[in-house]
Amino acid sequence: AQSVTQLGSHVSVSEGALVLLRCNYSSSVPPYLFWYVQYPNQGLQLLLKYTTGATLVKGINGFEAEFKKSETSFHLTKPSAHMSDAAEYFCAVSGASGNTGKLIFGQGTTLQVKP
Amino acid sequence: DAGVTQSPTHLIKTRGQHVTLRCSPISGHKSVSWYQQVLGQGPQFIFQYYEKEERGRGNFPDRFSARQFPNYSSELNVNALLLGDSALYLCASSHTGLAGYFGEQYFGPGTRLTVT
Repeated sequence: AQSVTQLGSHVSVSEGALVLLRCNYSSSVPPYLFWYVQYPNQGLQLLLKYTTGATLVKGINGFEAEFKKSETSFHLTKPSAHMSDAAEYFCAVSGASGNTGKLIFGQGTTLQVKP
Repeated sequence: DAGVTQSPTHLIKTRGQHVTLRCSPISGHKSVSWYQQVLGQGPQFIFQYYEKEERGRGNFPDRFSARQFPNYSSELNVNALLLGDSALYLCASSHTGLAGYFGEQYFGPGTRLTVT
């Protein structure tokens, strides 16, 4: 079985500060990993994905994440937070290395950005 | 190209009623997945359809059903609605690549269902 744990349901940073959102996964097979962002009353937007290859992946809006197999982690970072980054962020793992249309999501982390 | 579209945007139903939610995938995408997102939680997988066949089912009761049409659009049906079915229902589409990899999923804006 696969699962995702997002550490910290709520993260607050100041504008311009580093953003770090934590995600740990459990998977018996090589995982495909994703970060999505959800703004209020909207659907989910893909920020970035890891499938194979380079373990440091860059996404949209200046976000990046690093796949660390030894730590079963896929933390999301951004060097400098912007007010527009305030949203809900979800980490997800794909079952069976992407051979399925099922994503397993974490509980989400709300990012607050203070001026 | 247009993204994933869903209708209706909002819906209010009474307990015991039936509801049908609709989804149109991105042009060229043949896979549609449905998710339920209860307030304050991550989305939970309900169904996946690919080429009009069910490819996956989550841990939801038989009151939930879905189908996919020849144009790859999809419907999610929920019978005998319960208060606990109140949620945001999300549809996502994806293309298929080599070795059956379904690729990243692109989500629609969702349908907000309220059961009273």
